[in-house]
Amino acid sequence: NAGVTQTPKFRVLKTGQSMTLLCAQDMNHEYMYWYRQDPGMGLRLIHYSVGEGTTAKGEVPDGYNVSRLKKQNFLLGLESAAPSQTSVYFCASRVPEVVYEQYFGPGTRLTVT
Amino acid sequence: KQEVTQIPAALSVPEGENLVLNCSFTDSAIYNLQWFRQDPGKGLTSLLLIQSSQREQTSGRLNASLDKSSGRSTLYIAASQPGDSATYLCAVYGGSQGNLIFGKGTKLSVKP
Repeated sequence: NAGVTQTPKFRVLKTGQSMTLLCAQDMNHEYMYWYRQDPGMGLRLIHYSVGEGTTAKGEVPDGYNVSRLKKQNFLLGLESAAPSQTSVYFCASRVPEVVYEQYFGPGTRLTVT
Repeated sequence: KQEVTQIPAALSVPEGENLVLNCSFTDSAIYNLQWFRQDPGKGLTSLLLIQSSQREQTSGRLNASLDKSSGRSTLYIAASQPGDSATYLCAVYGGSQGNLIFGKGTKLSVKP
């Protein structure tokens, strides 16, 4: 049981390049989330999904797209990377139960030059 | 809009001291509150989760309390150790998207 995994762990992009971050969970969770963490800003929600085939915008969705084609995977895409997207990206998942506990992946550190 | 504040932003204590980290939130309509630990360059480790119907949770030297009516939570660390040095994050469930809303964290340094 690996929990929540993220690929890649580190990446450096040039402005305008594109990439996809992969989040995978093996806990059969319905809900999945993408957050970004910036110094002095805390973690902020980018996009989320309440089940396979569904996605929705969070607090800071601009410049990102997401897809949830399979229940266990949640992909975050950057179509044209900008320096403002330099951040640490965390994926999380949870079951839709009263406890609402979220489980986090190890993060992806992205630098856009 | 729910806002979460953590005070102090940074704290330095000598080894062995008992300490309290504070977290406040503006909207008392939360489902639960979760405390995390984050080591430099690492991910989030869940420490304690307090459901809205609970007053406190304990794990080893850690004790977290929740007072929904006043919008406050505290994380008590007993007999601090250098290995406790990390950033501690408080987060509440209450967002309309079912997401966590985070404070900016308290950076703890425990000196030997």
